[in-house]
Amino acid sequence: SAVISQKPSRDICQRGTSLTIQCQVDSQVTMMFWYRQQPGQSLTLIATANQGSEATYESGFVIDKFPISRPNLTFSTLTVSNMSPEDSSIYLCSVGASGVSGANVLTFGAGSRLTVL
Amino acid sequence: GNSVTQMEGPVTLSEEAFLTINCTYTATGYPSLFWYVQYPGEGLQLLLKATKADDKGSNKGFEATYRKETTSFHLEKGSVQVSDSAVYFCALSDPMDSNYQLIWGAGTKLIIKP
Repeated sequence: SAVISQKPSRDICQRGTSLTIQCQVDSQVTMMFWYRQQPGQSLTLIATANQGSEATYESGFVIDKFPISRPNLTFSTLTVSNMSPEDSSIYLCSVGASGVSGANVLTFGAGSRLTVL
Repeated sequence: GNSVTQMEGPVTLSEEAFLTINCTYTATGYPSLFWYVQYPGEGLQLLLKATKADDKGSNKGFEATYRKETTSFHLEKGSVQVSDSAVYFCALSDPMDSNYQLIWGAGTKLIIKP
């Protein structure tokens, strides 16, 4: 399966600032996904990033707040803009791979833990 | 719509105890079912999966059987270790969905005491 590197692994940010999270994959993938995991919660899909097209955002997430870039088939960035304490979460990058059995399996990066003061 | 329900945590057990984490689902058709594990400070890892009724997924001593009659996919391990302490997520996907959309359970935190 793909190996995903995310950075930063963690950061402490000030209210009102923006932070860009990078996701690097060791192989070419069509679809990359960005998830948010709020403290003690399950995962929520933010958006799907396809190379060469605009990201598709899920309900409740907008491009102005979470702009995404996908310049090539191995790299993507997620920016968390104008941060507030409510944005304190783990942000996870993932990619999909079709398994031999046909199941669509997600592989995740280690996550970026953001704390907003 | 599709949904996944997991038993609430935290679940606290002593080392070598038997583990069951319950997971039930609601779905149309024949979803694929997954268990993911998140160790402290890390991202999620696929633990095991099953793609059709009566399939048993297994990995690292963990097992789960796809039970269509009870719409369940309970996670079991015969003898847990301290290193199994983590958060476990049950999830499902529609195999016809090319967008890799997973429906996630809320997660169950497992604490194993020596």
